[in-house]
Amino acid sequence: DAGVIQSPRHEVTEMGQEVTLRCKPISGHNSLFWYRQTMMRGLELLIYFNNNVPIDDSGMPEDRFSAKMPNASFSTLKIQPSEPRDSAVYFCASRWDTEAFFGQGTRLTVV
Amino acid sequence: GENVEQHPSTLSVQEGDSAVIKCTYSDSASNYFPWYKQELGKRPQLIIDIRSNVGEKKDQRIAVTLNKTAKHFSLHITETQPEDSAVYFCAAEAGGFKTIFGAGTRLFVKA
Repeated sequence: DAGVIQSPRHEVTEMGQEVTLRCKPISGHNSLFWYRQTMMRGLELLIYFNNNVPIDDSGMPEDRFSAKMPNASFSTLKIQPSEPRDSAVYFCASRWDTEAFFGQGTRLTVV
Repeated sequence: GENVEQHPSTLSVQEGDSAVIKCTYSDSASNYFPWYKQELGKRPQLIIDIRSNVGEKKDQRIAVTLNKTAKHFSLHITETQPEDSAVYFCAAEAGGFKTIFGAGTRLFVKA
């Protein structure tokens, strides 16, 4: 298995533009998580899904953020409109039991 | 809400010395405590974990201890090596897969 796959690896966009981050979890894993990592705030849980259903989205900072998981092998995190303070590394992780396997992350820069 | 505090934020040790990182958690229902290591520019990876029915767990040079009464848990690395240099995150989970991470400890091991 190739592990959790995220795309793109790097994204630079202008303020106000829509950004879509993508994640393919490990096959067979039934839980998927989106995290945001910054120097100031560390690793923040944004939202997580269990069996494709959003369970807890209390970490999503604003209505500008939305996440979907249309099937067991794909999830998206969308920011619309993006702002410079959204600049961070966004990680997707999946798990079946206790260990969470992280993707390589998407480094988002909003200018 | 749930909170995990981690100390110190930065730790510098001489190669061969021991390193200790301490965490406290607020949710008394927490029953699973993983530790993740993140090397520069890479994804977090699980290095060891402990459940609430266990007080201590060892894996070669690393060990974790848990004091449920005091809501403290710690990571101990003995005989540190330069490749141990990384950011270490503690985390606590109360079930339902909602993992709350500490802010991280940047460990430097000087050769």
